[in-house]
Amino acid sequence: GAGVSQSPRYKVTKRGQDVALRCDPISGHVSLYWYRQALGQGPEFLTYFNYEAQQDKSGLPNDRFSAERPEGSISTLTIQRTEQRDSAMYRCASSGFSRTGGVGELFFGEGSRLTVL
Amino acid sequence: GIQVEQSPPDLILQEGANSTLRCNFSDSVNNLQWFHQNPWGQLINLFYIPSGTKQNGRLSATTVATERYSLLYISSSQTTDSGVYFCAVERIMIYNQGGKLIFGQGTELSVKP
Repeated sequence: GAGVSQSPRYKVTKRGQDVALRCDPISGHVSLYWYRQALGQGPEFLTYFNYEAQQDKSGLPNDRFSAERPEGSISTLTIQRTEQRDSAMYRCASSGFSRTGGVGELFFGEGSRLTVL
Repeated sequence: GIQVEQSPPDLILQEGANSTLRCNFSDSVNNLQWFHQNPWGQLINLFYIPSGTKQNGRLSATTVATERYSLLYISSSQTTDSGVYFCAVERIMIYNQGGKLIFGQGTELSVKP
């Protein structure tokens, strides 16, 4: 598609349930990133992929959080046994190659707002 | 880890005024980007500017990597400029392809008509 697409846009769940958040990056973008943003804060890095390989998952808060990108395109962020503190905006971004070899220009989706009751 | 500090935290402007937002970072970076989060929550990339100066319409940005800061200039502000402006940096890493951007806490700008 033309931009980064995330679904669902809004998710309300009860504590203890599992949720899966989906991200469809810009076509051809190699790198895909997941961020979490609490109200009034800047986005906080969770994990990123180059193609299907998860390069860095140091930002995942605990082992209830996992992410995959099996075919190097669409990615899913899964949160198991959700807790109220997981409530936040979850943002996905993608980028192409950069000249410096670092992070390319990031394009964000509209985010998935998760509320855990 | 690298620290990213943005100032001021809040800014209120009258339409037509100019402003300068600052981003300081604590370590050498090979990547710096500015984003605008509009009142609807969309996060839009404004500039990819690891060094030098760029201009896009009424907005321009300058990064002085050796002194570890970047500035975002907004001229002739409009109400549609309202929102939160974030600076994000990537620390220089050896033998690393790709990486992660670390965001500052943002500057919340409100432009009054």
